[in-house]
Amino acid sequence: SQTIHQWPATLVQPVGSPLSLECTVEGTSNPNLYWYRQAAGRGLQLLFYSVGIGQISSEVPQNLSASRPQDRQFILSSKKLLLSDSGFYLCAWSVRTTGSNSPLHFGNGTRLTVT
Amino acid sequence: SQQGEEDPQALSIQEGENATMNCSYKTSINNLQWYRQNSGRGLVHLILIRSNEREKHSGRLRVTLDTSKKSSSLLITASRAADTASYFCATDSRSGKNYGQNFVFGPGTRLSVLP
Repeated sequence: SQTIHQWPATLVQPVGSPLSLECTVEGTSNPNLYWYRQAAGRGLQLLFYSVGIGQISSEVPQNLSASRPQDRQFILSSKKLLLSDSGFYLCAWSVRTTGSNSPLHFGNGTRLTVT
Repeated sequence: SQQGEEDPQALSIQEGENATMNCSYKTSINNLQWYRQNSGRGLVHLILIRSNEREKHSGRLRVTLDTSKKSSSLLITASRAADTASYFCATDSRSGKNYGQNFVFGPGTRLSVLP
């Protein structure tokens, strides 16, 4: 069966420090991969998605970047964190299809607090 | 802008009662999905309904879709305390990018089921 691992679960970082969140998927090949951010009590905002190694699409221009060095690994990074980067970050994967009838499978998220 | 908007924002019911949550959207869709999120965790896919379907069942869940009104409802019958969570609808807009999938989530309904 497929599983998705996301770590760390919580993170407290000072303003101006770098960030690296990692997500890996097991049990499937060639998945679509996604990074979402969720503000408290709000819906999800798509940050980045990837349909293949090295292929990253950015939905919202900001202080963050993403990379996909391996087929089932997705990394969210920042060189210098801002207070506004605080939030709940979720990684997700879906089966790569030509249609859209494939649900998203989420990790358990990382709670990032920038102080 | 948000494609899906859930209503109500919060709902509190007694165990055993039915819970109904609604979702409205603005543009034509390929499908609509409902997800559940326990506090501090990732989202879990519940059910997907295609644009050419009107109703779908899964256990105690019943989802309806009215494309003429651009709305969907999620009914949870005989609710349990364990159903306490936030529920989100997500749409895959026909006008969205074809490169990867582009789900748009609403802000969610917070359901509390009291024992």
